[in-house]
Amino acid sequence: KNQVEQSPQSLIILEGKNCTLQCNYTVSPFSNLRWYKQDTGRGPVSLTIMTFSENTKSNGRYTATLDADTKQSSLHITASQLSDSASYICVVSAVMNTGFQKLVFGTGTRLLVSP
Amino acid sequence: ETGVTQTPRHLVMGMTNKKSLKCEQHLGHNAMYWYKQSAKKPLELMFVYNFKEQTENNSVPSRFSPECPNSSHLFLHLHTLQPEDSALYLCASSQDPRGAYEQYFGPGTRLTVT
Repeated sequence: KNQVEQSPQSLIILEGKNCTLQCNYTVSPFSNLRWYKQDTGRGPVSLTIMTFSENTKSNGRYTATLDADTKQSSLHITASQLSDSASYICVVSAVMNTGFQKLVFGTGTRLLVSP
Repeated sequence: ETGVTQTPRHLVMGMTNKKSLKCEQHLGHNAMYWYKQSAKKPLELMFVYNFKEQTENNSVPSRFSPECPNSSHLFLHLHTLQPEDSALYLCASSQDPRGAYEQYFGPGTRLTVT
């Protein structure tokens, strides 16, 4: 069964600290893995997209890693800011034999950055 | 931020009402999507449209009726909803539903069914 599991479910950190969010998946055939940031009451916004051959990708203070062998990904946030408070959603894309992509969403990690 | 817009942003409706959600994308994309996001659950894909044609319906109850008059506009018509239909409804668009194109999301409509 195609699944994406994220941990922790929620996290509170102090402003300026680093944190790492985890994502494990059982999705095939794997096409790419995406991390989205979703502010409360808003739509998700893409942070990174990684294909099978990419191990790491950065977007400012956000760095995503991918281990396709163990089917794990992480999102590392450096020097957190109050504006980082949001839900972070891991999404794995599979391309079906029809050519259409199927996105499998995790439930997200809710991050609160405290002053 | 303004690539995909949704109206209204908030909607409260009774179970016997009929209302419509509207989505518009300004990105020149060919594919549009409706998702439902309930608390503590993953986003659920509801419908996919490609060049105005519905390509996917994920066993969505008939009280939800989508309409795609052109590649830029997508509607979700609602009637006789249930309280469990209360959720954030997200619209998204992508260049193509095939391959691995990025999906761009709108801000969502927060729906409350009373």
